[in-house]
Amino acid sequence: DTEVTQTPKHLVMGMTNKKSLKCEQHMGHRAMYWYKQKAKKPPELMFVYSYEKLSINESVPSRFSPECPNSSLLNLHLHALQPEDSALYLCASNQGAPTDTQYFGPGTRLTVL
Amino acid sequence: GNSVTQMEGPVTLSEEAFLTINCTYTATGYPSLFWYVQYPGEGLQLLLKATKADDKGSNKGFEATYRKETTSFHLEKGSVQVSDSAVYFCALDNQGGKLIFGQGTELSVKP
Repeated sequence: DTEVTQTPKHLVMGMTNKKSLKCEQHMGHRAMYWYKQKAKKPPELMFVYSYEKLSINESVPSRFSPECPNSSLLNLHLHALQPEDSALYLCASNQGAPTDTQYFGPGTRLTVL
Repeated sequence: GNSVTQMEGPVTLSEEAFLTINCTYTATGYPSLFWYVQYPGEGLQLLLKATKADDKGSNKGFEATYRKETTSFHLEKGSVQVSDSAVYFCALDNQGGKLIFGQGTELSVKP
């Protein structure tokens, strides 16, 4: 089983709202990733958690706040977003060893009004 | 630094045509190479991978060979189907824990 699940599938929020995206995997993977993907572009890495610790933050604005409550769960808390933050947010996971294959979830389509 | 260059799309083919999507890379050392596919409205799916020189990755009729001498990992399929219409991303991981993606190539297959 190589499934990564993400909820919700779609999210519409205003600029003053607070919302959260959720990602879950039950493959025993030790590294989890958040990516942002704009239309017709490749995914851009935002954050990496390795063994439940934040290991990479690609200079993402503080209105995006990641959280890894346990090894199977990854959240992305959203607050005071801008319309340009509208995108597909993808979660991925892997074993955590160098060059391990990353397995992606289906994504959350976020629209900020 | 590490980078991946893919041929620009969109690529439009008739069903049963031969497909090649070119991918070249720049990296130090010995990266692992990947092809991911993204169908409309979906996330990325791993299509195939290769971890060392001369390895051939294959899946669902797609193939790619890791060519260190030409720093290439071209994707090929002998006979495409309408259901292969998607965006294809070439990517490398140079042991930094980060995937470096190419710009993506959109493939449209017409009946």
